[in-house]
Amino acid sequence: QSALTQPPSASGSPGQSVTISCTGTSSDVGGYNYVSWYQQHPGKAPKLMIFEVNKRPSGVPDRFSGSKSGNTASLTVSGLQAEDEADYYCSSYAGSNNLLFGGGTKLTVL
Amino acid sequence: QVQLVESGGGVVQPGTSLRLSCAASGFTFRRYGMHWVRQGPGKGLEWVALIWNDGSNKYYGDSVKGRFTISRDSPKNTLYLQMNSLRAEDTAVYYCARDSTGWGFDYWGPGTLVTVSS
Repeated sequence: QSALTQPPSASGSPGQSVTISCTGTSSDVGGYNYVSWYQQHPGKAPKLMIFEVNKRPSGVPDRFSGSKSGNTASLTVSGLQAEDEADYYCSSYAGSNNLLFGGGTKLTVL
Repeated sequence: QVQLVESGGGVVQPGTSLRLSCAASGFTFRRYGMHWVRQGPGKGLEWVALIWNDGSNKYYGDSVKGRFTISRDSPKNTLYLQMNSLRAEDTAVYYCARDSTGWGFDYWGPGTLVTVSS
């Protein structure tokens, strides 16, 4: 199974909104509501930002939201702040007790 | 507070073995499934393995199946990853992570670096 497809980069100015896509197949993203998103700053461990497509863990700002349509999931960051600059990874359950990650998107706050 | 701390990484030669440990604290370890996830240098995340909370089931990513073994010692609050027949492509930072609902990982350790090189 191949990794999920994410754009290598995304950018936006402070205060703007940016959306990062994560494209899979009907066997993973499209087949289950088990999509998660992680934020990773350089040299740090990933942090869970969204789980089960659109749920936020406690402590994650509501500026972060998730959605899914067909085989593509999306992470939207609203009201961009400097500290949002990081790498973002999606993941999806792919059946048969297997998990796939996306290749990652580097978000730059201009 | 929940803490996960990996150890056991280092530089090893191809074909050899290494065992990683992950010490857990701040939560009831026996109630949670646990995962290993790795990240090659400059690369993305790759799921490695899952063990259920009671240790009864274990699952592996295709690239490590048959070479790596995940295990746990719940009385010691410790997760393990036994890595055999190591290859250069296994070079990565290895993270342990706690299973949350829906195959999300809600807590991660800082990671331990494994370098496979001759």
